[in-house]
Amino acid sequence: DAGITQSPRHKVTETGTPVTLRCHQTENHRYMYWYRQDPGHGLRLIHYSYGVKDTDKGEVSDGYSVSRSKTEDFLLTLESATSSQTSVYFCAISDLQPSGYTFGSGTRLTVV
Amino acid sequence: GQNIDQPTEMTATEGAIVQINCTYQTSGFNGLFWYQQHAGEAPTFLSYNVLDGLEEKGRFSSFLSRSKGYSYLLLKELQMKDSASYLCAVRPRANQAGTALIFGKGTTLSVSS
Repeated sequence: DAGITQSPRHKVTETGTPVTLRCHQTENHRYMYWYRQDPGHGLRLIHYSYGVKDTDKGEVSDGYSVSRSKTEDFLLTLESATSSQTSVYFCAISDLQPSGYTFGSGTRLTVV
Repeated sequence: GQNIDQPTEMTATEGAIVQINCTYQTSGFNGLFWYQQHAGEAPTFLSYNVLDGLEEKGRFSSFLSRSKGYSYLLLKELQMKDSASYLCAVRPRANQAGTALIFGKGTTLSVSS
């Protein structure tokens, strides 16, 4: 009974197509985040949300958009996928407790 | 700018003690976190420091010096299952719009028998 789930877990898509990744939580946490993880770069913040319809850009937001229409769901959209967006994408949730983040299991995205 | 540095790789032997260092330069400070990440899995929380000093949790301890921008994670009685990446992360702010963590690139620890 994971409190945070990501879908899909794996996806292969073609260059130029739009792609949407979903993050769903059952913890009622206020804050949600999207990161990408690449070898040699670690985890880098794409976008985050601090409430319904409240979002902001992170370090690597170009080419990505997000939406949060309800507390439970945070969607990440690649508007026109490029090969440089091949990565593992992690969603995380938090409520500012000392435990920091809880991460989803990740989505491995390959753009061909 | 924001910068977090940690060694890329470390090796150690089963039963030994290893210390993974992390230095940071961030625009603010509201806590330092250590996460463990096994290959192909999500990071999981290990420890949290917001005040100077040592936090001990079983075989793992974490130390923080805010004046030096320095932390370390100490792993004792190493086991093979401790082979993983260890991620240092800083929360610069904890206000409404600034709760995000900044991560270092991670330290890959290999434990051999």
